[in-house]
Amino acid sequence: NAGVMQNPRHLVRRRGQEARLRCSPMKGHSHVYWYRQLPEEGLKFMVYLQKENIIDESGMPKERFSAEFPKEGPSILRIQQVVRGDSAAYFCASSPPQGRNSGNTIYFGEGSWLTVV
Amino acid sequence: SQQGEEDPQALSIQEGENATMNCSYKTSINNLQWYRQNSGRGLVHLILIRSNEREKHSGRLRVTLDTSKKSSSLLITASRAADTASYFCATDGENDMRFGAGTRLTVKP
Repeated sequence: NAGVMQNPRHLVRRRGQEARLRCSPMKGHSHVYWYRQLPEEGLKFMVYLQKENIIDESGMPKERFSAEFPKEGPSILRIQQVVRGDSAAYFCASSPPQGRNSGNTIYFGEGSWLTVV
Repeated sequence: SQQGEEDPQALSIQEGENATMNCSYKTSINNLQWYRQNSGRGLVHLILIRSNEREKHSGRLRVTLDTSKKSSSLLITASRAADTASYFCATDGENDMRFGAGTRLTVKP
C-alpha cells in the first residue's frame, strides 16, 4: 500500500544550481499539492495540480519556481538558481479525484529536505 | 496566508497527563483537520471534524469544534512519550488546506 512517495528525501545544492523534487501520488489519486515548511513553522501552500493542469499556484513564488504534473510520471517541483532562503522541507500531498471540496483527507509524503549551501 | 493558528506554541507535560491544544481560524469552513508531525517526518492525518459536528473521538483523541468562536481543540488523554510531536490544525481553503504554525508537544517519560 504505497503512500505518497517523494524523492529525494534530502538534497543539497549550491547557490545558483537547480533543484528538482519529485512526487508520486497515492494510487488512484489525481490531485497533487505542494507545500513548503520552514524550520519551526507550519506548512505554506504553494501549488495545486491535477494531471496536466495547474489549478492554483497562488502560493508559489513567481520567479524561479515551477511545477508540473504530466499525464505520465510524477509531479515535479523545480527550483531554478536556488538561494539559501530556499532551504526548507517541501511536502507533497495527494487526494482522490473528487479533490478537496468533498472533505476528503489529503495524504502527505515524507517530504524532501532541500539544503542550499 | 495561514488560516489556522494553534495555541500554545509549545507544551511540555508528564506522561499520563492530558494535553490540550487549541486552534483558531478566521473564515467559514467546511471541515477542520488535525495532523501530527514527528521531527523530520511528514504529516500524519489524525482526525477530521465537519462544520456541523461539535465533537469527535478517536481513541485517546478528542476534538471539539465551535464554529461560533471559530475555534477547535485537540485533547490527547493519558499522554505517552510517543505522543511527542508537532500538532497542526488545517482548514479548507478554496483549493488547498491552510495550516497553522503548530503546537510542539513534549511528553516527558
